[in-house]
Order: sequence, then C-alpha cells, then structure tokens
Amino acid sequence: QVHLVQSGTEVKEPGASVKVSCKTSGYTFIAYYIHWVRQAPGQGLEWMGWINPNSGDTNYAQKFQGRVTMTRDTSISTAYIDLNSLTSDDTALYFCTRASRATPEHDYWGQGTLLTVSS
Amino acid sequence: ETVLTQSPDTLSLTPGERATLSCRASQSVSSRNLAWYQQKLGQAPRLLIYGAASRATGIPDRFSGSGSGTDFTLTISRLEPEDFAVYYCQQSGSSPRTFGQGTKVEIK
Repeated sequence: QVHLVQSGTEVKEPGASVKVSCKTSGYTFIAYYIHWVRQAPGQGLEWMGWINPNSGDTNYAQKFQGRVTMTRDTSISTAYIDLNSLTSDDTALYFCTRASRATPEHDYWGQGTLLTVSS
Repeated sequence: ETVLTQSPDTLSLTPGERATLSCRASQSVSSRNLAWYQQKLGQAPRLLIYGAASRATGIPDRFSGSGSGTDFTLTISRLEPEDFAVYYCQQSGSSPRTFGQGTKVEIK
C-alpha cells in the first residue's frame, strides 16, 4: 500500500532554514508529482508547490519563490522541502502529498511535520 | 489566482441530518480539477471527491459531489458522528492550486 512518511517535528529560530523529508513507498516514485501543503495553527490549507520526481522540475507558489527549494532523491524515493529565512509566520504543519497530471487530486498524504519558529 | 469561497463557514447540524456545502470559484474550473477533502483535528486531509462528482476509494455513498463551472456542492445525505469535521474544496486546474477556506460541520 501507498505510504508517505515525513520527518519529525522541527523547532527553529527566526532567520534559520529547515529541511523536511517525505519518504514514499508502495508505488512508482517517479509516476506522481509531490506537492507540499502547509497549515498554520487554526487556519486553512495553503499550497506551496510541486516537484516532478522524474525530471526534477519544480513549480512554486509565488508567495514562496526565492525562499523555498523542493528536491528529490529517486534512489530512496524521497522528496524534500527546504524553506529558509524563517519567521514566526512559517509556524505550521507541513504536509507532502502526491498527485499526477492524469489524476490531479491528492489521494495520499504524509502525516505532517510540525515546524515551530520561535526565538 | 482562482479564489475558492466556501459557504457557510460553519454548519451546525445533528446526526442524521443532511449537509450541503458550497464552493464558489472566482473563475471557471474544469470539473476534472475540483476535489473535496475532509480534515479532522490533527490529521492530514482525506480525499473524498475528485472530478467534482467521483467518490474516492472507500468513501461511503452518503457523500456526493456535484456542480460545474464556478459552483460546486458537496452533500452528505445523512450525517454520521464521524462526519463532523472541516471540509475543503480545491482546484488543481490553474497555478497556484488553491483551497477554499473550509467549512466546519459541527454537532448542534
């Protein structure tokens, strides 16, 4: 069965960077894009961007351009999101989720990684 | 950017009642690119409906989706206790992908 398993809770100071991983299993990694979605405490869902694991191509929401980098390691079926210049506004639960051009909906999600940015 | 506006923000109902949730888009969305998700506190979203009207695997038939263009609806025919949660619509037809702000279905 399909699984997306994310790395654990992170606590960072303002100005720092964070890298969150999303290890996938149960399907062909390069067949589905990996998207990242975040949710601030008590708020709704915010789409951050995607990476095509096959090509490495990325598409970031304009809000995060210049501050986010999505990468992947196909040898271990894992995707990563790197977010720098953190502020308290980045405190949120970060989810990875998959989708494809043929099936654009997000059918499987990671469990979420809580990032807290605080001095 | 395609803005999705959900209504109402909160729906207070009792188990057994019918729930009707609305999602209105600021520009036309292909039905293929409209999905609904359910989220419970502390959990990842769960795909309910894709392609505006198709139920995802394992989703009970009391959940149904309809609509086209700029107006979409999620209906829960008879609320079960486990259905009290927050529901989001999402469009995937244009970048950035956007979610509605969510509708909370709470027990009255």
